[in-house]
Amino acid sequence: DGGITQSPKYLFRKEGQNVTLSCEQNLNHDAMYWYRQDPGQGLRLIYYSQIVNDFQKGDIAEGYSVSREKKESFPLTVTSAQKNPTAFYLCASSINQDSDQPQHFGDGTRLSIL
Amino acid sequence: GNSVTQMEGPVTLSEEAFLTINCTYTATGYPSLFWYVQYPGEGLQLLLKATKADDKGSNKGFEATYRKETTSFHLEKGSVQVSDSAVYFCALGSLNEKLTFGTGTRLTIIP
Repeated sequence: DGGITQSPKYLFRKEGQNVTLSCEQNLNHDAMYWYRQDPGQGLRLIYYSQIVNDFQKGDIAEGYSVSREKKESFPLTVTSAQKNPTAFYLCASSINQDSDQPQHFGDGTRLSIL
Repeated sequence: GNSVTQMEGPVTLSEEAFLTINCTYTATGYPSLFWYVQYPGEGLQLLLKATKADDKGSNKGFEATYRKETTSFHLEKGSVQVSDSAVYFCALGSLNEKLTFGTGTRLTIIP
């Protein structure tokens, strides 16, 4: 079954700690995205990548970092510089960035502060 | 830039009621339009899409028609079920722009 796998489902971060959220896709999609969702809010774009070894900042990139060393993987690191990291994080992918291509989403990682 | 305005929620309906969730947009050119659904604790799933004016997207009894003259893409369903309870997002995609989402509308269906 093709899809996007995010892990872990729940994650806890201590003060001053960096944590990494995993996102893997086996859809052979070129483009991948990370979004943040706060309660009762829409989605805000953190980072996106159109191809391997390339990525761009989204609307709220401060305090986050990503890498795209492999086509199928796009991990997100929430650094200690992100002062309010508690949120639901969603990873998505699409065939490419053409406007008519839908994005496919993983089931998310819920990050909380200890 | 692009923007999507969605009907504010929450919306509560009885089972078998008619559903409309309004969505209007602002964009240059010829965007594609999408409706996504998010069930509790899950990611978003594509519900339907339309890529040009007057196209109708449909899936699972839901429909939405791309109306360029009114810049709208309202979601409708003739008879809702308890299992339709979820958050619904309208989204817009256009050339050289990232996908733009509305703020979501929470729908609750009561038996």
